Amino acid sequence: QVQLQESGPGLVRPSETLSLTCTVSGGSISGHFWSWIRQPPGKGLEFIGHISDSGTTTQNASLRSRLTISLDKSRGQFSLQLSSVTAADTAVYFCARTLPFTWYPYLDYWGQGILVTVSS
Amino acid sequence: QSALTQPASVSGSPGQSITISCTGTSSDLGAYNYVSWYQQHPGGAPQLIIYDVNKRPSGISDRFSGSKSGRTASLTVSGLQPEDEADYFCCSYARSGTYWLFGGGTKLTVL
Repeated sequence: QVQLQESGPGLVRPSETLSLTCTVSGGSISGHFWSWIRQPPGKGLEFIGHISDSGTTTQNASLRSRLTISLDKSRGQFSLQLSSVTAADTAVYFCARTLPFTWYPYLDYWGQGILVTVSS
Repeated sequence: QSALTQPASVSGSPGQSITISCTGTSSDLGAYNYVSWYQQHPGGAPQLIIYDVNKRPSGISDRFSGSKSGRTASLTVSGLQPEDEADYFCCSYARSGTYWLFGGGTKLTVL
Protein backbone atom coordinates (compact mmCIF):
# COMPACT_ATOMS: atom_id res chain seq x y z
CA GLN A 1 0.00 0.00 0.00
CA VAL A 2 1.41 3.35 -1.07
CA GLN A 3 1.81 5.85 1.75
CA LEU A 4 2.95 9.46 1.75
CA GLN A 5 4.00 11.33 4.89
CA GLU A 6 4.76 15.02 5.21
CA SER A 7 7.31 16.20 7.75
CA GLY A 8 8.72 19.55 8.81
CA PRO A 9 8.20 22.39 11.26
CA GLY A 10 4.66 23.43 12.10
CA LEU A 11 5.66 27.02 12.85
CA VAL A 12 7.69 29.32 10.63
CA ARG A 13 8.52 32.96 11.29
CA PRO A 14 7.58 35.63 8.75
CA SER A 15 10.23 36.26 6.07
CA GLU A 16 11.86 32.89 6.73
CA THR A 17 11.81 29.74 4.58
CA LEU A 18 9.21 27.00 4.90
CA SER A 19 10.75 23.56 4.31
CA LEU A 20 8.78 20.32 4.04
CA THR A 21 9.65 16.78 3.02
CA CYS A 22 7.35 14.04 1.77
CA THR A 23 8.44 10.45 2.28
CA VAL A 24 7.00 7.84 -0.08
CA SER A 25 6.71 4.22 0.97
CA GLY A 26 5.13 1.12 -0.52
CA GLY A 27 5.56 2.20 -4.12
CA SER A 28 7.96 3.37 -6.76
CA ILE A 29 8.89 6.98 -7.47
CA SER A 30 9.06 6.15 -11.18
CA GLY A 31 6.13 6.80 -13.47
CA HIS A 32 4.42 9.49 -11.43
CA PHE A 33 4.47 13.22 -10.79
CA TRP A 34 4.92 14.19 -7.15
CA SER A 35 2.88 17.17 -6.08
CA TRP A 36 2.44 19.76 -3.38
CA ILE A 37 -1.05 21.14 -2.70
CA ARG A 38 -2.02 23.53 0.10
CA GLN A 39 -5.26 24.47 1.82
CA PRO A 40 -5.56 27.59 3.99
CA PRO A 41 -7.75 26.97 7.05
CA GLY A 42 -11.40 26.75 6.02
CA LYS A 43 -10.62 27.44 2.37
CA GLY A 44 -10.09 25.65 -0.92
CA LEU A 45 -7.15 23.83 -2.44
CA GLU A 46 -4.25 25.46 -4.28
CA PHE A 47 -1.74 23.78 -6.58
CA ILE A 48 1.81 24.66 -5.54
CA GLY A 49 3.83 22.57 -7.96
CA HIS A 50 5.05 19.12 -8.86
CA ILE A 51 8.16 17.24 -9.89
CA SER A 52 8.52 14.35 -12.30
CA ASP A 53 10.45 11.20 -11.59
CA SER A 54 13.26 12.64 -13.71
CA GLY A 55 13.36 15.88 -11.74
CA THR A 56 11.45 18.23 -14.06
CA THR A 57 9.37 20.71 -12.13
CA THR A 58 6.14 22.60 -12.81
CA GLN A 59 5.41 25.48 -10.48
CA ASN A 60 2.42 27.72 -9.92
CA ALA A 61 3.44 31.05 -11.41
CA SER A 62 2.13 32.93 -8.38
CA LEU A 63 4.68 31.15 -6.17
CA ARG A 64 7.51 30.47 -8.61
CA SER A 65 9.81 33.26 -7.47
CA ARG A 66 9.84 31.83 -3.92
CA LEU A 67 9.55 28.12 -4.65
CA THR A 68 11.95 25.19 -4.91
CA ILE A 69 10.83 21.59 -5.37
CA SER A 70 13.37 18.79 -5.36
CA LEU A 71 13.47 15.01 -5.52
CA ASP A 72 15.71 12.42 -3.88
CA LYS A 73 14.82 9.15 -5.59
CA SER A 74 17.33 7.12 -3.60
CA ARG A 75 15.60 8.06 -0.37
CA GLY A 76 12.07 8.02 -1.76
CA GLN A 77 11.53 11.66 -0.82
CA PHE A 78 10.61 14.95 -2.42
CA SER A 79 10.78 18.36 -0.82
CA LEU A 80 9.31 21.83 -0.86
CA GLN A 81 10.99 25.08 0.05
CA LEU A 82 9.01 28.32 0.08
CA SER A 83 10.99 31.44 0.93
CA SER A 84 9.99 34.82 2.36
CA VAL A 85 6.80 33.48 3.89
CA THR A 86 3.97 35.65 5.20
CA ALA A 87 0.78 34.93 7.10
CA ALA A 88 -0.88 34.25 3.74
CA ASP A 89 1.22 31.09 3.48
CA THR A 90 -0.41 29.60 6.58
CA ALA A 91 -2.11 26.42 5.39
CA VAL A 92 -2.30 22.66 5.57
CA TYR A 93 0.28 21.41 3.11
CA PHE A 94 -0.39 18.09 1.37
CA CYS A 95 1.94 15.99 -0.72
CA ALA A 96 0.32 13.75 -3.33
CA ARG A 97 1.00 11.47 -6.27
CA THR A 98 -0.53 11.54 -9.75
CA LEU A 99 -1.99 8.51 -11.45
CA PRO A 100 0.64 6.66 -13.47
CA PHE A 101 2.11 8.41 -16.49
CA THR A 102 -0.12 11.46 -16.34
CA TRP A 103 0.86 15.11 -15.98
CA TYR A 104 -2.72 16.13 -15.22
CA PRO A 105 -4.37 16.84 -11.83
CA TYR A 106 -5.34 13.29 -11.03
CA LEU A 107 -3.96 12.66 -7.53
CA ASP A 108 -4.63 9.15 -6.27
CA TYR A 109 -2.55 9.05 -3.09
CA TRP A 110 -2.19 11.85 -0.57
CA GLY A 111 -0.35 12.44 2.66
CA GLN A 112 -2.38 13.27 5.75
CA GLY A 113 -1.34 16.93 5.52
CA ILE A 114 0.70 19.11 7.84
CA LEU A 115 -0.45 22.45 9.23
CA VAL A 116 2.18 25.14 8.83
CA THR A 117 1.53 28.39 10.65
CA VAL A 118 3.48 31.53 9.78
CA SER A 119 3.73 33.67 12.89
CA SER A 120 6.30 35.46 14.99
CA GLN B 1 -6.18 33.26 -11.90
CA SER B 2 -9.46 32.90 -9.99
CA ALA B 3 -10.65 29.55 -8.70
CA LEU B 4 -13.29 27.60 -10.56
CA THR B 5 -16.78 28.49 -9.32
CA GLN B 6 -18.73 25.99 -7.24
CA PRO B 7 -21.85 26.47 -5.10
CA ALA B 8 -20.91 26.84 -1.46
CA SER B 9 -23.35 24.15 -0.37
CA VAL B 10 -25.84 21.58 -1.57
CA SER B 11 -28.04 19.20 0.35
CA GLY B 12 -30.20 16.16 -0.19
CA SER B 13 -31.97 13.38 1.65
CA PRO B 14 -30.75 9.78 1.78
CA GLY B 15 -31.51 7.99 -1.46
CA GLN B 16 -31.87 11.17 -3.48
CA SER B 17 -29.48 12.47 -6.15
CA ILE B 18 -27.64 15.78 -6.16
CA THR B 19 -25.47 17.54 -8.73
CA ILE B 20 -22.61 19.91 -8.02
CA SER B 21 -21.59 22.32 -10.75
CA CYS B 22 -18.13 23.69 -11.46
CA THR B 23 -17.85 26.65 -13.82
CA GLY B 24 -14.69 27.94 -15.43
CA THR B 25 -13.53 29.94 -18.42
CA SER B 26 -12.31 29.45 -21.96
CA SER B 27 -8.80 29.01 -20.56
CA ASP B 28 -9.59 25.98 -18.45
CA LEU B 29 -12.85 24.00 -18.46
CA GLY B 30 -13.91 25.51 -21.76
CA ALA B 31 -10.74 24.37 -23.49
CA TYR B 32 -9.78 21.07 -21.93
CA ASN B 33 -11.24 17.80 -20.73
CA TYR B 34 -8.71 17.29 -17.94
CA VAL B 35 -11.18 17.45 -15.09
CA SER B 36 -11.10 15.74 -11.71
CA TRP B 37 -13.24 15.73 -8.58
CA TYR B 38 -12.17 15.14 -4.98
CA GLN B 39 -14.09 14.26 -1.83
CA GLN B 40 -12.73 15.54 1.48
CA HIS B 41 -14.08 14.63 4.88
CA PRO B 42 -13.35 17.00 7.80
CA GLY B 43 -9.77 16.79 8.92
CA GLY B 44 -8.86 14.37 6.16
CA ALA B 45 -7.00 14.43 2.88
CA PRO B 46 -8.86 14.76 -0.41
CA GLN B 47 -9.74 11.54 -2.24
CA LEU B 48 -9.89 11.29 -6.02
CA ILE B 49 -13.38 10.20 -7.10
CA ILE B 50 -13.52 11.28 -10.76
CA TYR B 51 -10.81 11.94 -13.37
CA ASP B 52 -10.82 12.59 -17.12
CA VAL B 53 -14.28 14.20 -16.67
CA ASN B 54 -16.14 10.93 -16.06
CA LYS B 55 -13.80 8.08 -15.09
CA ARG B 56 -13.79 6.52 -11.66
CA PRO B 57 -10.64 5.20 -9.97
CA SER B 58 -10.72 1.61 -8.78
CA GLY B 59 -12.79 1.24 -5.63
CA ILE B 60 -14.94 4.35 -6.12
CA SER B 61 -18.67 3.71 -6.06
CA ASP B 62 -20.60 4.00 -9.31
CA ARG B 63 -22.98 6.31 -7.44
CA PHE B 64 -20.48 9.03 -8.36
CA SER B 65 -20.52 10.24 -11.95
CA GLY B 66 -19.07 13.20 -13.83
CA SER B 67 -19.88 15.13 -16.96
CA LYS B 68 -18.92 18.34 -18.76
CA SER B 69 -20.57 20.73 -21.14
CA GLY B 70 -18.76 23.80 -22.39
CA ARG B 71 -17.27 25.68 -19.46
CA THR B 72 -19.14 23.73 -16.79
CA ALA B 73 -18.31 20.37 -15.25
CA SER B 74 -20.73 18.52 -13.02
CA LEU B 75 -20.54 15.84 -10.36
CA THR B 76 -23.64 13.79 -9.64
CA VAL B 77 -24.02 11.71 -6.50
CA SER B 78 -26.93 9.31 -6.71
CA GLY B 79 -28.51 7.28 -3.96
CA LEU B 80 -27.19 9.64 -1.28
CA GLN B 81 -25.79 8.00 1.82
CA PRO B 82 -24.82 9.60 5.13
CA GLU B 83 -21.13 8.94 4.45
CA ASP B 84 -21.34 11.11 1.33
CA GLU B 85 -21.52 14.18 3.58
CA ALA B 86 -18.22 15.93 2.83
CA ASP B 87 -16.62 18.75 0.87
CA TYR B 88 -16.22 18.27 -2.87
CA PHE B 89 -13.66 20.04 -5.06
CA CYS B 90 -13.38 20.15 -8.81
CA CYS B 91 -10.07 20.66 -10.59
CA SER B 92 -9.10 21.45 -14.16
CA TYR B 93 -5.97 21.86 -16.16
CA ALA B 94 -5.62 25.56 -16.96
CA ARG B 95 -3.83 27.28 -19.85
CA SER B 96 -2.04 29.64 -17.54
CA GLY B 97 0.78 29.70 -15.07
CA THR B 98 -1.52 28.16 -12.49
CA TYR B 99 -1.65 24.88 -14.44
CA TRP B 100 -4.03 23.08 -12.06
CA LEU B 101 -7.01 25.18 -10.98
CA PHE B 102 -9.27 24.03 -8.17
CA GLY B 103 -12.82 25.06 -7.36
CA GLY B 104 -13.63 26.74 -4.08
CA GLY B 105 -15.36 23.62 -2.78
CA THR B 106 -18.96 22.58 -2.11
CA LYS B 107 -20.20 21.27 1.20
CA LEU B 108 -22.65 18.42 0.71
CA THR B 109 -25.07 17.89 3.57
CA VAL B 110 -27.12 14.70 3.76
CA LEU B 111 -30.28 15.66 5.60
